[in-house]
Amino acid sequence: EVRLVESGGGVLQPGGSLRLSCAASGFTFSNFALSWVRQAPGKGLEWVSGISISGNSTYYIDSVRRRFTISRDNSKNTLYLQVNSLRVDDTAIYYCAKGRPEDDFYFDLWGRGTLVTVSS
Amino acid sequence: EIVLTQSPATLSLSPGERATLSCRASQSVSSFLAWYQQKPGQAPRLLIYDASSRATGIPARFSGSGSGTDFTLTISSLEPEDFAVYYCQQRYDWPPLTFGGGTKVEIK
Repeated sequence: EVRLVESGGGVLQPGGSLRLSCAASGFTFSNFALSWVRQAPGKGLEWVSGISISGNSTYYIDSVRRRFTISRDNSKNTLYLQVNSLRVDDTAIYYCAKGRPEDDFYFDLWGRGTLVTVSS
Repeated sequence: EIVLTQSPATLSLSPGERATLSCRASQSVSSFLAWYQQKPGQAPRLLIYDASSRATGIPARFSGSGSGTDFTLTISSLEPEDFAVYYCQQRYDWPPLTFGGGTKVEIK
């Protein structure tokens, strides 16, 4: 079965850190670009970060640059998001999303998400 | 940053009716626009990419049109499972990739 499974979310205080993981199965992980997309409670979708097939190119929205780091381990079929200096407005479900074969940044497979709650 | 504005925010329709959803970009995105469906408690699902190409397994009642700054998602005859929130997304000029604010299609 083709799927993505996120883990690592939790409840933290402002300023805290987490590492989110996304385990892939059922497809050749190393052939696809990947992204993290988040959704604050009751709100819309927000793309957060993306990474190329090799991992050599990474992309971020301005609000998380220098706080979040995306990476991938193609030998473990796993995508990561290191999140530091968390803020209350980082509270969201974080989804891992796979790019289409021909278009890296249209997302044809999503995980179920992992919830990150930042609260004092 | 390209801003995508979706309208209406909510669309109240009955099963069997036609749904027409709009997405307007703050500048041209050519045809590099996708549509997603999201049901409560679920991850989004890709419906349409490149403005008018249906993704794998998407029923023919879903169609997309437009180019430049104005795009439309049409559901020709609403099925009960189509009541959901729909988002558009551009990949023409990024980072950042951007999504619209969503249109909720609810049962009238």
